[in-house]
Amino acid sequence: GQNIDQPTEMTATEGAIVQINCTYQTSGFNGLFWYQQHAGEAPTFLSYNVLDGLEEKGRFSSFLSRSKGYSYLLLKELQMKDSASYLCAVRDYGGSQGNLIFGKGTKLSVKP
Amino acid sequence: EPEVTQTPSHQVTQMGQEVILRCVPISNHLYFYWYRQILGQKVEFLVSFYNNEISEKSEIFDDQFSVERPDGSNFTLKIRSTKLEDSAMYFCASRYGMNTEAFFGQGTRLTVV
Repeated sequence: GQNIDQPTEMTATEGAIVQINCTYQTSGFNGLFWYQQHAGEAPTFLSYNVLDGLEEKGRFSSFLSRSKGYSYLLLKELQMKDSASYLCAVRDYGGSQGNLIFGKGTKLSVKP
Repeated sequence: EPEVTQTPSHQVTQMGQEVILRCVPISNHLYFYWYRQILGQKVEFLVSFYNNEISEKSEIFDDQFSVERPDGSNFTLKIRSTKLEDSAMYFCASRYGMNTEAFFGQGTRLTVV
């Protein structure tokens, strides 16, 4: 079956660093995506990993280990506006399919 | 910046009625999707559409659901006879190519009463 696990909630302090983990078991793999979703809004794209290693994009970095079925999203210099849900999603196949399988999301609360 | 647009933003309908949710994907994108998110739950895949036909659909996408791309810009999701459990946020998404990210619209909040 398809399974994506991530912590339900996390809390961190403004200015700090937080790491949100994601483990996955899917029938295929064609990339792992992280999306940010504020309450009542659409998911917005943060990062994409298809090969092992770290991808850095400003304050956000994402890491992938395909052999371990593991990824993390690292947020640095946390700001209050980073309070949101962070969704880990796997694309199980490419081509004309390539729909995303989402985890339940990690609700991050950033406190002053 | 190009974006996926969805209308309406909110729709309230009576159980058993038909609804059509509308989406205008980003103009040069080739792959189109509908997802839904029941309040407090995860985003779930419904259907993907490529080259003017459905390429994949989930178990949720039963005979009550259909999609169309009637012209070069619109992409619609129709629910023929709505049920209470169809109440959710429905997101349209599109992407350009095989190794690109999907862009999501702002969603249509469907409430079935």
